[in-house]
Amino acid sequence: DIQMTQSPSSLSASVGDRVTITCQASQDISNYLNWYQQKPGKAPKLLIYDASNLETGVPSRFSGSGSGTDFTFTISSLQPEDIATYYCQQYDNLPGGFTFGPGTKVDIK
Amino acid sequence: QITLKESGPTLVKPTQTLTLTCTFSGFSLSTSGVGVGWIRQPPGKALEWLALIYWDDDKRYSPSLKSRLTITKDTSKNQVVLTMTNMDPVDTATYYCAHWDMTTVTAFDYWGQGTLVTVSS
Repeated sequence: DIQMTQSPSSLSASVGDRVTITCQASQDISNYLNWYQQKPGKAPKLLIYDASNLETGVPSRFSGSGSGTDFTFTISSLQPEDIATYYCQQYDNLPGGFTFGPGTKVDIK
Repeated sequence: QITLKESGPTLVKPTQTLTLTCTFSGFSLSTSGVGVGWIRQPPGKALEWLALIYWDDDKRYSPSLKSRLTITKDTSKNQVVLTMTNMDPVDTATYYCAHWDMTTVTAFDYWGQGTLVTVSS
């Protein structure tokens, strides 16, 4: 099974700060990596798919990069509405698993 | 537009079998590349993928829960059903269903609102 790790597990930043979250896979997953935002009491929302593609309607301050085992998610200028937990998620066609990372909680300082 | 909604019991007893239904609209599970998955989230904890069924009836399960899970679809009713046997209090969680499409955005791009299932005697 492919395992996913995320760091940090939580962070506190000021409005306007650049925020970076990393996600690491236990083996090469090419670019099969997605990022989701989850606000308290709500279902997750897709932000980035295939490592670097911005989902339609998602603000351009969100971005993703990476391939293989190491991936990065960035908020270029943190906004109050970005307070949430962010999850990475990998998928592989063989044997067909979908694994989520442990999440990163983002707060405003 | 695509919508999904989970339904099922809010409370189950230990050792019982949980049956959840995902009723969706805005897409067809007979369309090539489309799938519906189940994901759960214990209170205050991370998301955990459980199972996914594809348009061609191919089924995928979480290796750690595979022995307890069954996923089926009823294309005519636009429903996907997940059963989980031998429920335990640690299975208390919000259960989500979500849309997956291999031909467009290969991600869970639409989610239901989730349903909280509590396991307690």
